[in-house]
Amino acid sequence: DTEVTQTPKHLVMGMTNKKSLKCEQHMGHRAMYWYKQKAKKPPELMFVYSYEKLSINESVPSRFSPECPNSSLLNLHLHALQPEDSALYLCASSPRPGAGPQETQYFGPGTRLLVL
Amino acid sequence: GNSVTQMEGPVTLSEEAFLTINCTYTATGYPSLFWYVQYPGEGLQLLLKATKADDKGSNKGFEATYRKETTSFHLEKGSVQVSDSAVYFCALSDGAPSGSARQLTFGSGTQLTVLP
Repeated sequence: DTEVTQTPKHLVMGMTNKKSLKCEQHMGHRAMYWYKQKAKKPPELMFVYSYEKLSINESVPSRFSPECPNSSLLNLHLHALQPEDSALYLCASSPRPGAGPQETQYFGPGTRLLVL
Repeated sequence: GNSVTQMEGPVTLSEEAFLTINCTYTATGYPSLFWYVQYPGEGLQLLLKATKADDKGSNKGFEATYRKETTSFHLEKGSVQVSDSAVYFCALSDGAPSGSARQLTFGSGTQLTVLP
């Protein structure tokens, strides 16, 4: 089973709201990723967690705050977002950080976020 | 740095036509190469991968061969179906220090539409 689940599927929020996106995998993967994808573009990496520790932050604005409470769960906390943050947010996981370039990332279905 | 170049889309074919989507890459070392597919309104799904030169990845009638001499990983399918309509992303994985989670470098994506 190579399933990554994400909730909610859709989210509409105002610029003053606080919301969270959730990602889960039960494959025993030890790396988890957040990507942002705008329409007709490839995904852009935001954050990477390896063994529950933040290993990569691609200069993402502080209004996005990631959290990895355990090896199966990844959250993205959203606060004071801007309309240009509207996008599809994808979560991914991979089995073993450091296993080499053959390491495969498995993506979830995404959360489609609209900021009004 | 690493880069992936995909043929410009959109590509429109009739059902049962032959498909080629070109992908070339620039990378140091020995990357792994991937094709991901994104159906409308969904996340990315791994279509196939190859981890070393001359490897052929295949899945659902799609094939791609890792050609180190031409730095290419072209996607082919002998007879496309309407259900193959999607966006296809070529990607490579390389460059992270040993022990770290790998980052994917994506091509720009190619929109395929198959007409009945």
